[in-house]
Amino acid sequence: GAGVSQSPRYKVAKRGQDVALRCDPISGHVSLFWYQQALGQGPEFLTYFQNEAQLDKSGLPSDRFFAERPEGSVSTLKIQRTQQEDSAVYLCASTPGGGASEYFGPGTRLLVL
Amino acid sequence: GDSVTQMEGPVTLSEEAFLTINCTYTATGYPSLFWYVQYPGEGLQLLLKATKADDKGSNKGFEATYRKETTSFHLEKGSVQVSDSAVYFCALRGGSQGNLIFGKGTKLSVKP
Repeated sequence: GAGVSQSPRYKVAKRGQDVALRCDPISGHVSLFWYQQALGQGPEFLTYFQNEAQLDKSGLPSDRFFAERPEGSVSTLKIQRTQQEDSAVYLCASTPGGGASEYFGPGTRLLVL
Repeated sequence: GDSVTQMEGPVTLSEEAFLTINCTYTATGYPSLFWYVQYPGEGLQLLLKATKADDKGSNKGFEATYRKETTSFHLEKGSVQVSDSAVYFCALRGGSQGNLIFGKGTKLSVKP
């Protein structure tokens, strides 16, 4: 069956440009997470949705980062006025909830020049 | 806050060698513990997990035991293969619906 998909897989942005990263979770999965993985590091939590509700956004590094999941399925992570330190792989994960394990997408590699 | 510390890499082993990757954690309460693997060019995959003290997670010949007394969840495999070459991440989740907290990862290279 289809797993978690993310698009684009690679994105090169000029500093100051806005970007939007998309996540398509597994159908029916209630919970959706975004993580940021810098080169050579482990993933770090950004934000969490349960259906369309954003229950935790404590990991978003600044107010330039914004995430939404308006219909409780597809989610978009938007980064405004990108900076070089935003260069990382952005991972999306979904779960059916109830403590089940996450399924991760392949990630979007963002490079800000 | 909660955190995970795992041994620095890279780790280079010959095929059929014994593998141990150390992982210790700091957490309030009783977290669930995980090992994830990231093969070259692929996404993160759950390798194994344990949800309570003394539980042993196992998969593909890998094992890890949840040791509350030493706050550890070390990953072991008796005989590694070239195909095990990957980056391994130890992680914890503090609550049933919380996010994962990851270690920095350990890169394993297995030589034929």
